Amino acid sequence: DGGITQSPKYLFRKEGQNVTLSCEQNLNHDAMYWYRQDPGQGLRLIYYSQIVNDFQKGDIAEGYSVSREKKESFPLTVTSAQKNPTAFYLCASSILTGDTQYFGPGTRLTVL
Amino acid sequence: SQQGEEDPQALSIQEGENATMNCSYKTSINNLQWYRQNSGRGLVHLILIRSNEREKHSGRLRVTLDTSKKSSSLLITASRAADTASYFCATRAGGTSYGKLTFGQGTILTVHP
Repeated sequence: DGGITQSPKYLFRKEGQNVTLSCEQNLNHDAMYWYRQDPGQGLRLIYYSQIVNDFQKGDIAEGYSVSREKKESFPLTVTSAQKNPTAFYLCASSILTGDTQYFGPGTRLTVL
Repeated sequence: SQQGEEDPQALSIQEGENATMNCSYKTSINNLQWYRQNSGRGLVHLILIRSNEREKHSGRLRVTLDTSKKSSSLLITASRAADTASYFCATRAGGTSYGKLTFGQGTILTVHP
């Protein structure tokens, strides 16, 4: 099955802790994206990557970090510097010259 | 900032009725897409319309684009209970790189059986 997976589905974190969200795709897509969704709102772009070992900040990158060591993987770390990290996080991928994005099922992060 | 603004924020209809959602945006665009999101799930791509197109169909979906008014509408005909979801428009602004989309805040559609 081709697709994009995210783990875990639910994640709980204590204040002051860093946490890493996993995103893997087997669609052979070059581009990958991380979004944050708050209740009743649309998606906001955190980071995106169009090629291995390169990534760009989106609109709300502060308090987050990413890596792209493999084409298939684009993990997101929510650091303790992110002041309000409780949200639904969505990962997506696309071909390099296309705008249609394919989304994972999401990770719901709750800070206790 | 969110380029797309959607209207209405929520829509409640009976099965079999048509549902129309609108999206407005502020800057010139390359294309506009519509996505569906079931509660607590990821988004699913529905349809993409390019800036030089005015109307596009896919099954029970009809999308229109009016670049002079900077607006788009999504029509779902003969709605079903399974169409209950949030619907988002997403735009790629002119001059930006592929994939750098801006999403609207969404319309919550409830279809009653």
